Amino acid sequence: AQTVTQSQPEMSVQEAETVTLSCTYDTSESDYYLFWYKQPPSRQMILVIRQEAYKQQNATENRFSVNFQKAAKSFSLKISDSQLGDAAMYFCAYCLWYGGSQGNLIFGKGTKLSVKP
Amino acid sequence: GAGVSQSPSNKVTEKGKDVELRCDPISGHTALYWYRQSLGQGLEFLIYFQGNSAPDKSGLPSDRFSAERTGGSVSTLTIQRTQQEDSAVYLCASSPRDTSYNEQFFGPGTRLTVL
Repeated sequence: AQTVTQSQPEMSVQEAETVTLSCTYDTSESDYYLFWYKQPPSRQMILVIRQEAYKQQNATENRFSVNFQKAAKSFSLKISDSQLGDAAMYFCAYCLWYGGSQGNLIFGKGTKLSVKP
Repeated sequence: GAGVSQSPSNKVTEKGKDVELRCDPISGHTALYWYRQSLGQGLEFLIYFQGNSAPDKSGLPSDRFSAERTGGSVSTLTIQRTQQEDSAVYLCASSPRDTSYNEQFFGPGTRLTVL
């Protein structure tokens, strides 16, 4: 069974600084996607960034980038120039891709990020 | 356009009662997912609908949980004889199609409290 582990229940960063959130996963599959979702207090899950397992290049979205290490099954999220609006729960998630079809998302327990002004 | 909507936003019920939670996916989205978010278990997959195919019910925790999707659109998650451990936020997500990867768009969730 696939599992996703986030070892940092809480993290804190100073505004404008950089923070890295860790995620490891376990799978025996070769085709899958990895994601980081943000969940503010409103409960709305927002996709931050996505990485296809077959791509070696790390995904980037503006201030957000990932460090994808497939052999190590590691998928960390780096937030640069942190802003107050980045404060939220961040979930790492895995999705199996099989037979041209996607599966459900498997989530880690989450990391609560605080941003200090 | 409108996003995924869920109702009610909050639901308080007594142990043993049945509850129905509703999800309206984004128009045209053929895939619909239900997840449960609880303090002890994090985010868990419950059930997945894709078009007219039989749903993937592998995540349902017990036979007290069931879901249906009428006309390939609106979905209702029903919990019978609710227990206190059913207290959680129930999230619904929809996705455009299943022939290639498509983002899952989440609703705001229903917070269920079982007294």
